[in-house]
Amino acid sequence: GQQVMQIPQYQHVQEGEDFTTYCNSSTTLSNIQWYKQRPGGHPVFLIQLVKSGEVKKQKRLTFQFGEAKKNSSLHITATQTTDVGTYFCAAPARGMDSSYKLIFGSGTRLLVRP
Amino acid sequence: EAGVAQSPRYKIIEKRQSVAFWCNPISGHATLYWYQQILGQGPKLLIQFQNNGVVDDSQLPKDRFSAERLKGVDSTLKIQPAKLEDSAVYLCASSLETSGLTDTQYFGPGTRLTVL
Repeated sequence: GQQVMQIPQYQHVQEGEDFTTYCNSSTTLSNIQWYKQRPGGHPVFLIQLVKSGEVKKQKRLTFQFGEAKKNSSLHITATQTTDVGTYFCAAPARGMDSSYKLIFGSGTRLLVRP
Repeated sequence: EAGVAQSPRYKIIEKRQSVAFWCNPISGHATLYWYQQILGQGPKLLIQFQNNGVVDDSQLPKDRFSAERLKGVDSTLKIQPAKLEDSAVYLCASSLETSGLTDTQYFGPGTRLTVL
């Protein structure tokens, strides 16, 4: 079945440094979503990218969707301790009876040293 | 707007026992999802309901797991009998739309299950 691969698995940065996580698929994606899960918390929706080459920004977070719609990245500029958590990408895949379901990547865990 | 509610938040049982989880989605959300999240992994879909019908249960271990969504609102997920490898966080999520293609999913706080 469809898979989305995420790298790196972990990233430990000094506060103020930048951070990037990458999501890759072997198949073309219709769209891609990003979620953040704080330690002990639940996934929270951040953004959805739909168009080829799309770039969206949320304050210090920049999200990109590749031209071929097979990869995506999340970049955080000047990390803060509040950025700590695991970042997941997720993409829809065909389920049963022509329905769609979200397939989550394995996530990138971000740790920030104050 | 109230979020997705789940109970209990924590549960510890011994293997071969039974356990049930409850979820109340956001009001008006047609689609409800149950995910299993093992430590260090992303959420894995167990079952997806659209109103009170199942649209995908391909990854639900049906020999021990069951779920229902009566009246298209609340849902329960049951494990009977539990195995050690069922230790995980069980997340419930809901979405407003029914296509699944572009739906934003809203997650509940989850139930952390420990099987001893």
